[in-house]
Amino acid sequence: DAGITQSPRHKVTETGTPVTLRCHQTENHRYMYWYRQDPGHGLRLIHYSYGVKDTDKGEVSDGYSVSRSKTEDFLLTLESATSSQTSVYFCAISEWFSYEQYFGPGTRLTVT
Amino acid sequence: AQSVTQLGSHVSVSEGALVLLRCNYSSSVPPYLFWYVQYPNQGLQLLLKYTSAATLVKGINGFEAEFKKSETSFHLTKPSAHMSDAAEYFCAVSPNTGNQFYFGTGTSLTVIP
Repeated sequence: DAGITQSPRHKVTETGTPVTLRCHQTENHRYMYWYRQDPGHGLRLIHYSYGVKDTDKGEVSDGYSVSRSKTEDFLLTLESATSSQTSVYFCAISEWFSYEQYFGPGTRLTVT
Repeated sequence: AQSVTQLGSHVSVSEGALVLLRCNYSSSVPPYLFWYVQYPNQGLQLLLKYTSAATLVKGINGFEAEFKKSETSFHLTKPSAHMSDAAEYFCAVSPNTGNQFYFGTGTSLTVIP
């Protein structure tokens, strides 16, 4: 299994509070991704990174920001959480030459 | 733009029967195609991938998929379903020029004993 961890694995927070999710990899892969998974929508890309300090938006980036200061860490921040951001969040990694993604175990976020 | 359509959000088969999960893609150029499986409360695991080599791709756990350019399809099959195949299956596409991936909405497979 690819070395990808996500923390926390579960979180309950209140509307309006900031939340940061962490993805950590030990594979030294160049690309890292944040997805959210919701029933009926599959996985939707929030943001991705193609290198340290190089990030770009996905299809559902509103309300989210990301940072990557080290190859191994990719942080997803909800500046002011809303109930619509209740979801399961997955981190994934890939290498430019393999076109395969490896997924972390997910973080279940509930915004009350 | 890339997109993926999975026909049937829920599929039920009897144990030992053929599994057929459908995936159609839209792409201006032949893309890379993938099937992933997700077991309850877990992340996604790659089943198989097509990257412009053989059109019939064999994956793990006895699954295979055939790339049909004329039909823009990449359907997933398994000759004989096992109880352990019950899971959510996702088709995904990636353009062959980069590392972005687009996922279908998923098909939940139920295997009836």
